[in-house]
Amino acid sequence: GAVVSQHPSRVICKSGTSVKIECRSLDFQATTMFWYRQFPKQSLMLMATSNEGSKATYEQGVEKDKFLINHASLTLSTLTVTSAHPEDSSFYICSARAGQGDIDEQFFGPGTRLTVL
Amino acid sequence: GQNIDQPTEMTATEGAIVQINCTYQTSGFNGLFWYQQHAGEAPTFLSYNVLDGLEEKGRFSSFLSRSKGYSYLLLKELQMKDSASYLCAVLDSNYQLIWGAGTKLIIKP
Repeated sequence: GAVVSQHPSRVICKSGTSVKIECRSLDFQATTMFWYRQFPKQSLMLMATSNEGSKATYEQGVEKDKFLINHASLTLSTLTVTSAHPEDSSFYICSARAGQGDIDEQFFGPGTRLTVL
Repeated sequence: GQNIDQPTEMTATEGAIVQINCTYQTSGFNGLFWYQQHAGEAPTFLSYNVLDGLEEKGRFSSFLSRSKGYSYLLLKELQMKDSASYLCAVLDSNYQLIWGAGTKLIIKP
């Protein structure tokens, strides 16, 4: 089946630094990738949707200058958390979708646990 | 607005059957997904329904009624490893997933 990977799986950083998280579709071309954030005991919260070669669409309340998303190729999207603060500590999950017009599944990455000290 | 409702928590006994319900109100409908999520891990795909009826996959079955805006996930022969959160999500008219808050399933011996 389709595989989506994320790197790193865990990261610990100091407050004020920037962290980049990669999301890759390993065996298919992802026209659309999604970035989610999961708060404890809550469902996934969609942060942004990115289509290859265009600017990401951010959900209301998500700061696009803080959470930079780049979807430079059909197999790679990156999320950069700039000037991270402890409140940014969370589980970040990406997903990828191959098609748009056809009914298809989203394939989820394993997630990246970010801890900001 | 868009809304997905599912129970917050359910408890069941090992070896038994449990049904997790999900009702939805969304702008458009392009299918309903069920995901399983163990604590600290990303959700894993369980099922996808776009037509009315029951889809069976081993111990897990998923049912959909589009006219009622209703789905359920049926888990048979429960095992301790089935303890997890079960997420219902609807693909809306823009092909984006609208997520429910999840149902925490606790399996007791």
